[in-house]
Amino acid sequence: DTEVTQTPKHLVMGMTNKKSLKCEQHMGHRAMYWYKQKAKKPPELMFVYSYEKLSINESVPSRFSPECPNSSLLNLHLHALQPEDSALYLCASSPGTSGGVVTQYFGPGTRLLVL
Amino acid sequence: QKEVEQNSGPLSVPEGAIASLNCTYSDRGSQSFFWYRQYSGKSPELIMFIYSNGDKEDGRFTAQLNKASQYVSLLIRDSQPSDSATYLCAVWPPSGGYNKLIFGAGTRLAVHP
Repeated sequence: DTEVTQTPKHLVMGMTNKKSLKCEQHMGHRAMYWYKQKAKKPPELMFVYSYEKLSINESVPSRFSPECPNSSLLNLHLHALQPEDSALYLCASSPGTSGGVVTQYFGPGTRLLVL
Repeated sequence: QKEVEQNSGPLSVPEGAIASLNCTYSDRGSQSFFWYRQYSGKSPELIMFIYSNGDKEDGRFTAQLNKASQYVSLLIRDSQPSDSATYLCAVWPPSGGYNKLIFGAGTRLAVHP
């Protein structure tokens, strides 16, 4: 089973709202990722958690706040977003972050629209 | 120079033909190479990964890696209209480098009946 689940599938929020995106995997993977993808562009890495610790933050604005409550769950808290933050937000997981265990599996994504 | 380069396409092939998708990368020490398929509005789906020079086959898909020439390709035999999608090449950098996948911009494949 290589399933990563994400909720919600779609989200519309105003610029003053606070919302959270959720991601879950039960493959025993120790690395989890958040990506942002705009139309006709490749995924753009935002954050990496390795063994539940934040290992990479790609200089993402503070209005995006990641959280890894346990090895299976990853959240992305959203606050005071801008319309340009509208995108497909993808979660991914991999067994690890080095050697032969870096294969990433993506969830279905959350389509976010900021009004 | 972009780290991972792909022709954006569209690559148009007739149904039943072989589609050949190519990718070059700049970091000679890169170790792991991945092909993802992405349908419009959907998330990337892993098609193949390859670590060693040579060919790796899985059903209608063959990944080819040539580290000396720094390119990786994906061949799709007996192309079907359902193969029409964007194909993303992704490269994992050398160990000790920045641990993240480097994606190419993707090649759009159109298989016409």
